[in-house]
Amino acid sequence: QKEVEQDPGPLSVPEGAIVSLNCTYSNSAFQYFMWYRQYSRKGPELLMYTYSSGNKEDGRFTAQVDKSSKYISLFIRDSQPSDSATYLCAIDGGSYIPTFGRGTSLIVHP
Amino acid sequence: DAGVTQSPTHLIKTRGQQVTLRCSPKSGHDTVSWYQQALGQGPQFIFQYYEEEERQRGNFPDRFSGHQFPNYSSELNVNALLLGDSALYLCASSLAGRADETQYFGPGTRLLVL
Repeated sequence: QKEVEQDPGPLSVPEGAIVSLNCTYSNSAFQYFMWYRQYSRKGPELLMYTYSSGNKEDGRFTAQVDKSSKYISLFIRDSQPSDSATYLCAIDGGSYIPTFGRGTSLIVHP
Repeated sequence: DAGVTQSPTHLIKTRGQQVTLRCSPKSGHDTVSWYQQALGQGPQFIFQYYEEEERQRGNFPDRFSGHQFPNYSSELNVNALLLGDSALYLCASSLAGRADETQYFGPGTRLLVL
């Protein structure tokens, strides 16, 4: 079992839809949770960073962490074509070396 | 404020050759990490440099080596290239010791080994 599991997709949604992206992890020692966005042929860009269970909101993005279930989510409201990218979850146990999921490809069509 | 920069952007090599990739960290950052990202996969940690020394290392062979300079910039060297080394190589910088800091990535160097 991989430490971080993420469905590669692709996930295709119409513009304006609410998008839900998810990861599961196996190591309960993980304490820091991140979501990165990666456009094609570019480096990952940090979107959200949290270290506790619950929700964190930033504009159209909401990160949710459920440590009891070892499950993290990223919600995107009012999705736009410019949100089309690969979304990577990353989880860190305190070593400042995150373990990444393989990424979910999101396509938002007009 | 310049972010993380990497050079070159693309590189083509043949099996058995050696390659050197370069990274300049974000202004104010002192720690550099290198990752390998194969197509369709998430980044895999290679190693991390702080104070010019390798601080942590992932599950990569000794063919992968690195260096950090006094100005915090870094190089990744790969010897005896294999076809499987073809990937996007990412550099990420951070500030050591800050629990609320995370890593900022450069655009990557895309390496193709023929």
